[in-house]
Amino acid sequence: NAGVTQTPKFQVLKTGQSMTLQCAQDMNHNSMYWYRQDPGMGLRLIYYSASEGTTDKGEVPNGYNVSRLNKREFSLRLESAAPSQTSVYFCASSESVMPQETQYFGPGTRLLVL
Amino acid sequence: RKEVEQDPGPFNVPEGATVAFNCTYSNSASQSFFWYRQDCRKEPKLLMSVYSSGNEDGRFTAQLNRASQYISLLIRDSKLSDSATYLCVVNYGFIGANNLFFGTGTRLTVIP
Repeated sequence: NAGVTQTPKFQVLKTGQSMTLQCAQDMNHNSMYWYRQDPGMGLRLIYYSASEGTTDKGEVPNGYNVSRLNKREFSLRLESAAPSQTSVYFCASSESVMPQETQYFGPGTRLLVL
Repeated sequence: RKEVEQDPGPFNVPEGATVAFNCTYSNSASQSFFWYRQDCRKEPKLLMSVYSSGNEDGRFTAQLNRASQYISLLIRDSKLSDSATYLCVVNYGFIGANNLFFGTGTRLTVIP
């Protein structure tokens, strides 16, 4: 039982390049999330998927797109990377979006945009 | 005003000490409260949920004060392995992921 996995672990991009961050969970969770974590700021929600087939914007969605490929997988795409997107990206999952649910996080992807 | 505010620290304490962190939240409608632990360059992991009556898990005690809108985390008999950043997390209580807010974290270093 691996929990939540993310690929890649590290990535360096040039401004304007695109890439997709992959996330998968094996806990049969319905809900999945993408966050970014920047120094001096709390984790901020980019997009989430309450259940398979649905996606919604979070606090900071601009510059990103997501795909809930199936119940297990939720990907995050940067179409044209900008230096402001340099960050650590965490994927998370939970049983549902009910307020008392625990979120389980993946190990993160460290992205540097030059 | 930030939704969730924490003292960033760092708190440097000797092994065996007792240390407490507070976290304030801005929305009085908040319903669910959590403490997560994040080790350096690792992902956040749930440490404990915080219940209205307060709760304890071994050396860790969490308290909620709704009147003053803060939660606290008390760590007794600190261990070197407790060194980490502790994130306060608050949920407004409505269904939906947009209602979960993370503090910036309080950094704890336990010194031998």
